[in-house]
Amino acid sequence: DIVMTQSPVSLTVSLGERATINCKSSQSVLYSSNNKNYLAWYLQKPGQPPKLLIYWASTRESGVPDRFSGSGSGTDFTLTISSLQAEDVAVYYCQQYYSTPLTFGGGTKVEIK
Amino acid sequence: QVQLVQSGAEVKKPGASVKVSCKASGYTFTSYGITWVRQAPGQGLEWMGWISAYNGNTNYAQKLQGRVTMTTDTSTSTAYMELRSLRSDDTAVYYCARCKGWLIDYWGQGTLVTVSS
Repeated sequence: DIVMTQSPVSLTVSLGERATINCKSSQSVLYSSNNKNYLAWYLQKPGQPPKLLIYWASTRESGVPDRFSGSGSGTDFTLTISSLQAEDVAVYYCQQYYSTPLTFGGGTKVEIK
Repeated sequence: QVQLVQSGAEVKKPGASVKVSCKASGYTFTSYGITWVRQAPGQGLEWMGWISAYNGNTNYAQKLQGRVTMTTDTSTSTAYMELRSLRSDDTAVYYCARCKGWLIDYWGQGTLVTVSS
């Protein structure tokens, strides 16, 4: 199984400041035949299901604000919120969809300072 | 718009079974898979398995093999997840979600299953 490790576990950022979340996979999720990283990011607000933010490591889902960006390749990935807004308070998860079992990181809780 | 509407909360005794439904709308049901993910209280996300709505092929998480069955009814665009021999550590919110390949793009609202004597 591919183990996904996120850091930090929690993050407190001032409104308008940058938030950075890291995700590391225990093996590469880059598929060489199409050069795509099978890595997604989700946000989950309390009492709600997760919502897809980013897929292929860096492609924003339709309707997702451009303050959210994803980067990285192979085993190391980053989600950046360029200017934190109040509505971004949530738990963020990375997930690999390279192989089954699909696996998620442990989550990063983002709060406002 | 894509919607996945799940059945309501359940309370079950240890050893019982539960069957959660997930009715899809807003897309061609048989063109995608359905995956099931659960989340224990205050915990992270655990993938349970996947079913193709096209041909019924399944792929279950190893730890649930033998206790879980996923099915679909294409006539009603509904997916089902049955979990048997329930234990207290099966208490969780169960989510169905649409899968494009292995990418999960839309989620149901979740169904709380409580296992308690």
